Amino acid sequence: DAGITQSPRHKVTETGTPVTLRCHQTENHRYMYWYRQDPGHGLRLIHYSYGVKDTDKGEVSDGYSVSRSKTEDFLLTLESATSSQTSVYFCAISEGKTEAFFGQGTRLTVV
Amino acid sequence: GQQLNQSPQSMFIQEGEDVSMNCTSSSIFNTWLWYKQDPGEGPVLLIALYKAGELTSNGRLTAQFGITRKDSFLNISASIPSDVGIYFCAGSFSSNTGKLIFGQGTTLQVKP
Repeated sequence: DAGITQSPRHKVTETGTPVTLRCHQTENHRYMYWYRQDPGHGLRLIHYSYGVKDTDKGEVSDGYSVSRSKTEDFLLTLESATSSQTSVYFCAISEGKTEAFFGQGTRLTVV
Repeated sequence: GQQLNQSPQSMFIQEGEDVSMNCTSSSIFNTWLWYKQDPGEGPVLLIALYKAGELTSNGRLTAQFGITRKDSFLNISASIPSDVGIYFCAGSFSSNTGKLIFGQGTTLQVKP
């Protein structure tokens, strides 16, 4: 298994509150990604990083920000959570190839 | 956004049967991948395809990169109960990043 740890694994939060999800990797891979998974949509890319402090938007980036201050950590922040952001969030890593390896996911519920 | 059409959406088969699922796109991809997801887990990579026409096997799984680069299929031979799960196709315009576009998934159930 790829050395990817997501935290927390489950979280319930209230609408309007800030939330930060963490992804930690031990593989020293250059690329890191945040995807969200919703029924009927498969997985969709939120943001990705191609190096420390280098990030870019994905398909569904509105309402999300990211930061990568170290190779091993990639943070996803919801500045003001909304019910539409209730989802399962997956972190993934890759190195020089298209093959991305996924973490176990974080189930976020916004009430 | 980009769309991958994956079919069928679900399958219920008898143990020992062969399974086939496919993905089509209106866009040309440089890479096709197939993942499997078990309940409560992240997707696990099964097969990656990098060349049009490429046919690749991984045990009982066989996948092909369509010649038009707009489609791919996955076959599972002699299904077993542990094949149960959701199978996703994913395409990429890149050959060196994991920026993927996913299909909606095929849910496979296997009856012993």
